[in-house]
Amino acid sequence: DSGVTQTPKHLITATGQRVTLRCSPRSGDLSVYWYQQSLDQGLQFLIQYYNGEERAKGNILERFSAQQFPDLHSELNLSSLELGDSALYFCASSVGQGTYGYTFGSGTRLTVV
Amino acid sequence: DQQVKQNSPSLSVQEGRISILNCDYTNSMFDYFLWYKKYPAEGPTFLISISSIKDKNEDGRFTVFLNKSAKHLSLHIVPSQPGDSAVYFCAAPTGSRLTFGEGTQLTVNP
Repeated sequence: DSGVTQTPKHLITATGQRVTLRCSPRSGDLSVYWYQQSLDQGLQFLIQYYNGEERAKGNILERFSAQQFPDLHSELNLSSLELGDSALYFCASSVGQGTYGYTFGSGTRLTVV
Repeated sequence: DQQVKQNSPSLSVQEGRISILNCDYTNSMFDYFLWYKKYPAEGPTFLISISSIKDKNEDGRFTVFLNKSAKHLSLHIVPSQPGDSAVYFCAAPTGSRLTFGEGTQLTVNP
Protein backbone atom coordinates (compact mmCIF):
# COMPACT_ATOMS: atom_id res chain seq x y z
CA ASP A 1 0.00 0.00 0.00
CA SER A 2 1.60 3.25 -1.18
CA GLY A 3 -0.56 5.43 1.05
CA VAL A 4 -2.18 7.15 -1.96
CA THR A 5 -5.79 5.99 -2.29
CA GLN A 6 -7.72 6.17 -5.53
CA THR A 7 -11.39 5.36 -5.96
CA PRO A 8 -13.03 3.75 -7.75
CA LYS A 9 -10.60 1.15 -9.09
CA HIS A 10 -12.72 0.48 -12.15
CA LEU A 11 -15.36 2.54 -13.88
CA ILE A 12 -17.42 1.72 -16.98
CA THR A 13 -19.58 4.44 -18.45
CA ALA A 14 -21.17 5.49 -21.70
CA THR A 15 -20.08 8.17 -24.15
CA GLY A 16 -21.35 11.61 -23.28
CA GLN A 17 -21.45 10.92 -19.56
CA ARG A 18 -19.57 12.59 -16.71
CA VAL A 19 -17.49 10.86 -14.04
CA THR A 20 -15.51 11.88 -10.98
CA LEU A 21 -12.30 10.18 -9.90
CA ARG A 22 -11.11 10.63 -6.35
CA CYS A 23 -7.64 10.68 -4.82
CA SER A 24 -6.56 10.85 -1.20
CA PRO A 25 -2.87 11.72 -0.91
CA ARG A 26 -0.38 10.15 1.45
CA SER A 27 -0.55 11.62 4.95
CA GLY A 28 1.47 14.82 5.11
CA ASP A 29 1.71 15.31 1.35
CA LEU A 30 0.47 18.66 0.07
CA SER A 31 0.85 18.14 -3.68
CA VAL A 32 -1.43 16.01 -5.81
CA TYR A 33 -0.73 15.18 -9.45
CA TRP A 34 -2.97 13.56 -12.05
CA TYR A 35 -1.66 11.46 -14.93
CA GLN A 36 -3.39 9.65 -17.79
CA GLN A 37 -2.05 6.43 -19.31
CA SER A 38 -3.70 5.44 -22.57
CA LEU A 39 -3.10 2.05 -24.17
CA ASP A 40 0.60 1.40 -24.87
CA GLN A 41 1.49 4.95 -23.89
CA GLY A 42 3.54 6.38 -21.10
CA LEU A 43 1.91 8.37 -18.36
CA GLN A 44 0.90 11.86 -19.51
CA PHE A 45 0.85 14.67 -16.96
CA LEU A 46 -2.53 16.36 -16.63
CA ILE A 47 -2.47 18.74 -13.67
CA GLN A 48 -0.94 19.48 -10.26
CA TYR A 49 -2.43 21.00 -7.12
CA TYR A 50 -0.48 22.18 -4.12
CA ASN A 51 -2.30 22.88 -0.86
CA GLY A 52 -5.54 23.61 -2.66
CA GLU A 53 -4.17 25.71 -5.51
CA GLU A 54 -3.53 24.75 -9.10
CA ARG A 55 0.23 24.90 -9.72
CA ALA A 56 0.91 23.28 -13.09
CA LYS A 57 -1.11 22.21 -16.07
CA GLY A 58 -0.25 19.72 -18.80
CA ASN A 59 -2.20 18.71 -21.88
CA ILE A 60 -5.47 18.48 -20.02
CA LEU A 61 -8.58 18.68 -22.17
CA GLU A 62 -11.12 21.45 -21.54
CA ARG A 63 -13.69 18.71 -20.81
CA PHE A 64 -11.56 17.69 -17.82
CA SER A 65 -11.26 19.64 -14.59
CA ALA A 66 -9.83 19.02 -11.16
CA GLN A 67 -9.77 20.49 -7.71
CA GLN A 68 -8.12 19.91 -4.36
CA PHE A 69 -10.21 20.30 -1.24
CA PRO A 70 -9.23 21.68 2.20
CA ASP A 71 -8.66 18.15 3.50
CA LEU A 72 -6.19 17.79 0.56
CA HIS A 73 -8.06 15.09 -1.29
CA SER A 74 -8.48 15.75 -4.99
CA GLU A 75 -11.10 15.00 -7.60
CA LEU A 76 -10.68 14.76 -11.36
CA ASN A 77 -13.89 15.42 -13.27
CA LEU A 78 -14.22 14.10 -16.81
CA SER A 79 -17.24 15.22 -18.82
CA SER A 80 -18.73 14.62 -22.28
CA LEU A 81 -16.78 11.39 -22.31
CA GLU A 82 -15.50 9.95 -25.58
CA LEU A 83 -14.24 6.48 -26.42
CA GLY A 84 -10.70 7.86 -26.53
CA ASP A 85 -10.88 8.88 -22.88
CA SER A 86 -10.68 5.20 -21.92
CA ALA A 87 -7.42 4.96 -19.97
CA LEU A 88 -5.79 4.43 -16.62
CA TYR A 89 -5.82 7.56 -14.50
CA PHE A 90 -3.15 7.78 -11.83
CA CYS A 91 -2.87 10.15 -8.95
CA ALA A 92 0.44 10.83 -7.22
CA SER A 93 1.32 12.89 -4.18
CA SER A 94 4.43 14.46 -2.70
CA VAL A 95 5.30 16.61 0.28
CA GLY A 96 6.50 19.59 -1.71
CA GLN A 97 6.24 20.68 -5.29
CA GLY A 98 9.09 18.75 -6.81
CA THR A 99 9.33 15.19 -8.00
CA TYR A 100 11.27 13.99 -4.94
CA GLY A 101 9.21 11.49 -3.04
CA TYR A 102 6.52 11.16 -5.71
CA THR A 103 4.20 8.30 -4.68
CA PHE A 104 1.58 6.92 -7.04
CA GLY A 105 -1.78 5.41 -6.30
CA SER A 106 -2.89 2.20 -7.97
CA GLY A 107 -5.01 4.04 -10.51
CA THR A 108 -8.58 4.11 -11.78
CA ARG A 109 -9.30 2.21 -14.98
CA LEU A 110 -11.93 4.10 -16.97
CA THR A 111 -13.70 2.36 -19.82
CA VAL A 112 -16.01 4.41 -22.02
CA VAL A 113 -18.39 2.34 -24.13
CA ASP B 1 6.67 15.49 -29.32
CA GLN B 2 7.86 12.41 -27.45
CA GLN B 3 10.77 13.75 -25.42
CA VAL B 4 11.44 10.46 -23.65
CA LYS B 5 11.30 7.31 -25.71
CA GLN B 6 11.60 3.63 -24.95
CA ASN B 7 11.81 1.85 -28.27
CA SER B 8 11.45 -1.70 -27.01
CA PRO B 9 7.90 -2.51 -25.90
CA SER B 10 9.00 -5.85 -24.47
CA LEU B 11 12.05 -7.81 -23.36
CA SER B 12 12.33 -11.44 -22.31
CA VAL B 13 15.34 -12.84 -20.42
CA GLN B 14 16.26 -15.96 -18.50
CA GLU B 15 16.49 -15.93 -14.74
CA GLY B 16 20.03 -15.16 -13.61
CA ARG B 17 20.99 -13.32 -16.79
CA ILE B 18 21.31 -9.58 -17.32
CA SER B 19 18.36 -7.43 -18.35
CA ILE B 20 19.14 -4.20 -20.19
CA LEU B 21 16.37 -1.68 -20.68
CA ASN B 22 17.01 1.35 -22.84
CA CYS B 23 15.69 4.88 -22.93
CA ASP B 24 16.44 7.83 -25.22
CA TYR B 25 15.61 11.48 -24.71
CA THR B 26 15.62 14.55 -26.92
CA ASN B 27 15.49 17.42 -24.45
CA SER B 28 19.05 18.42 -23.53
CA MET B 29 17.67 20.45 -20.61
CA PHE B 30 16.82 17.25 -18.71
CA ASP B 31 19.32 16.92 -15.87
CA TYR B 32 17.83 14.14 -13.80
CA PHE B 33 16.30 10.80 -14.70
CA LEU B 34 14.27 8.22 -12.86
CA TRP B 35 13.25 4.63 -13.46
CA TYR B 36 9.92 3.33 -12.22
CA LYS B 37 8.66 -0.22 -12.03
CA LYS B 38 4.99 -1.07 -12.43
CA TYR B 39 3.22 -4.31 -11.61
CA PRO B 40 -0.31 -5.01 -12.94
CA ALA B 41 -3.08 -3.30 -10.95
CA GLU B 42 -0.54 -1.17 -9.11
CA GLY B 43 0.85 2.30 -9.61
CA PRO B 44 4.44 2.94 -10.68
CA THR B 45 7.00 2.71 -7.88
CA PHE B 46 10.33 4.48 -7.85
CA LEU B 47 13.32 2.23 -8.55
CA ILE B 48 16.49 4.25 -9.12
CA SER B 49 17.57 7.65 -10.36
CA ILE B 50 20.60 9.38 -11.82
CA SER B 51 21.73 12.98 -12.00
CA SER B 52 23.33 14.33 -15.15
CA ILE B 53 26.54 15.04 -13.22
CA LYS B 54 27.05 11.28 -12.99
CA ASP B 55 27.30 8.61 -15.64
CA LYS B 56 26.46 5.69 -13.39
CA ASN B 57 24.38 4.97 -10.30
CA GLU B 58 24.16 1.61 -8.62
CA ASP B 59 21.71 0.19 -6.10
CA GLY B 60 22.04 -3.49 -5.42
CA ARG B 61 21.15 -5.45 -8.53
CA PHE B 62 20.11 -2.28 -10.37
CA THR B 63 22.49 0.04 -12.20
CA VAL B 64 21.56 3.00 -14.38
CA PHE B 65 24.01 4.34 -16.96
CA LEU B 66 23.74 7.77 -18.54
CA ASN B 67 25.38 8.78 -21.82
CA LYS B 68 24.71 12.50 -22.15
CA SER B 69 26.35 12.90 -25.55
CA ALA B 70 24.08 10.22 -26.98
CA LYS B 71 21.08 11.34 -24.88
CA HIS B 72 20.68 7.73 -23.82
CA LEU B 73 20.25 5.93 -20.55
CA SER B 74 19.97 2.28 -19.70
CA LEU B 75 18.90 0.23 -16.72
CA HIS B 76 20.83 -2.98 -16.01
CA ILE B 77 19.41 -5.66 -13.75
CA VAL B 78 21.88 -8.35 -12.68
CA PRO B 79 21.01 -11.07 -11.94
CA SER B 80 17.44 -10.93 -13.20
CA GLN B 81 14.80 -12.64 -11.07
CA PRO B 82 11.22 -13.71 -11.92
CA GLY B 83 9.93 -11.09 -9.47
CA ASP B 84 11.48 -8.41 -11.69
CA SER B 85 8.84 -9.12 -14.33
CA ALA B 86 7.03 -5.81 -14.67
CA VAL B 87 6.73 -2.75 -16.89
CA TYR B 88 9.67 -0.36 -16.52
CA PHE B 89 9.33 3.34 -17.28
CA CYS B 90 12.07 5.90 -17.58
CA ALA B 91 11.09 9.46 -16.73
CA ALA B 92 12.55 12.94 -16.57
CA PRO B 93 11.31 15.78 -14.37
CA THR B 94 10.58 19.28 -15.54
CA GLY B 95 9.63 21.29 -12.51
CA SER B 96 7.00 19.27 -10.70
CA ARG B 97 5.91 17.14 -13.65
CA LEU B 98 7.39 13.92 -14.94
CA THR B 99 7.75 13.10 -18.63
CA PHE B 100 7.53 9.34 -19.10
CA GLY B 101 8.63 6.97 -21.81
CA GLU B 102 6.14 4.42 -23.14
CA GLY B 103 7.45 1.64 -20.95
CA THR B 104 9.12 -1.74 -21.55
CA GLN B 105 7.49 -4.97 -20.39
CA LEU B 106 10.22 -7.15 -18.89
CA THR B 107 9.54 -10.86 -18.52
CA VAL B 108 12.06 -12.96 -16.59
CA ASN B 109 11.61 -16.64 -17.28
CA PRO B 110 12.50 -19.19 -14.57
